[in-house]
Amino acid sequence: QSALTQPASVSGSPGQSITISCTGTSSDIGGYDYVSWYQQHPGKVPKLMIYEVRDRPSGISNRFSGSKSGNTAFLTISGLQAEDEADYYCSSYTRKYTVIFGGGTKLTVL
Amino acid sequence: EVQLVQSGAEVKKPGATVKISCNVSGYTFTDFYMQWVRQAPGRGLEWVGRVDPGDGEARYADEFQGRVTITADISSDTAYLEVRSLRSEDTAVYYCATDVSYGSGKEWDVWGKGTTVTVSS
Repeated sequence: QSALTQPASVSGSPGQSITISCTGTSSDIGGYDYVSWYQQHPGKVPKLMIYEVRDRPSGISNRFSGSKSGNTAFLTISGLQAEDEADYYCSSYTRKYTVIFGGGTKLTVL
Repeated sequence: EVQLVQSGAEVKKPGATVKISCNVSGYTFTDFYMQWVRQAPGRGLEWVGRVDPGDGEARYADEFQGRVTITADISSDTAYLEVRSLRSEDTAVYYCATDVSYGSGKEWDVWGKGTTVTVSS
């Protein structure tokens, strides 16, 4: 099964907002509200930032928000900060009872 | 404190088999699925599969079906990932991960530190 489609890179200046898209199919993103987003800094373990499309784990800043429309999910980061610079991965549950990741998006804070 | 402690780095030759472990503490092992995710150098995250420690049922990504086995030993609270017929493309960091906060098993808030597997002749 092909990975979910994410842009390879996005960038923004401190204080700005950015949105990362994650496109799948009706067999994954479009069919279930089990989309998650993970942040990974270089050499570090992935960290859960958003689960079930739009919910934030305890301790995650409300600058991070998630949404979904059809077969595409979105991660929006508002008020960009230098520490947000990282790789971001989306994931989705699928109709085959498996999980699939996106290819990852490198966020650069200018 | 919930912890997933993974076994140490492995170096294997092509065609060999590797078995890595993930020992849990701080929660009831049988309550939550254990996932395995891998990341090749400079590449993205890739879901390998998962096991339900409660009954041993495992599920795998299509690309690993038949070459990978995930098991759980409830006597030692340890999950295992075995990869057979290793090839250079299997060189990666392998993570175990679980969901102890949300219950669906589809989002993972606790991760091991990763086990590096290097496949080289």
